[in-house]
Amino acid sequence: NAGVTQTPKFQVLKTGQSMTLQCAQDMNHNSMYWYRQDPGMGLRLIYYSASEGTTDKGEVPNGYNVSRLNKREFSLRLESAAPSQTSVYFCASSSDRGTEAFFGQGTRLTVV
Amino acid sequence: GESVGLHLPTLSVQEGDNSIINCAYSNSASDYFIWYKQESGKGPQFIIDIRSNMDKRQGQRVTVLLNKTVKHLSLQIAATQPGDSAVYFCAEKNPDSSYKLIFGSGTRLLVRP
Repeated sequence: NAGVTQTPKFQVLKTGQSMTLQCAQDMNHNSMYWYRQDPGMGLRLIYYSASEGTTDKGEVPNGYNVSRLNKREFSLRLESAAPSQTSVYFCASSSDRGTEAFFGQGTRLTVV
Repeated sequence: GESVGLHLPTLSVQEGDNSIINCAYSNSASDYFIWYKQESGKGPQFIIDIRSNMDKRQGQRVTVLLNKTVKHLSLQIAATQPGDSAVYFCAEKNPDSSYKLIFGSGTRLLVRP
């Protein structure tokens, strides 16, 4: 039981490049989340998926797109990376509305 | 590991003392609250949760207090240990926003030996 798995763990992109961050959970959870964490800013919600086939914007969705591919997987895409998107990205999942979320280990993204 | 929360407020306590970490939440409709611990280079880890129909909940060495009147949450850690050194975040869910999990600002806890 791996929990929440994110790939890659580290990535360096040039400005304007695109990439997809992958996230998979093996806990049969309905809800999945993508957050970014900048130093001193805490975690900010980018996108949220309450269930397979649904997605919803969070606090900072601009510059990102998501896909809830199936119940297990929730990917985050940067179409044209900008230096302002340099951050640590966390994926999380929770079983239900009133339960805690479990987090992956993060993807450290640098855009130069 | 990578340092997160370089500019977060810091609470420094002596090993063995009790720690109290505070959080003001944003939405009066929120009905579920969670405290997370984040160590350097790692993802947040669940500590304890509380629902809005309660005002206190205890775990192992930790207690969460909820004051809905002033929208305030606190985490008390008894007999603080060096392994408790980390950044602590509160988070809330509310039905008005589809139960998205929204984080508050964090606090860095430093335990002095």
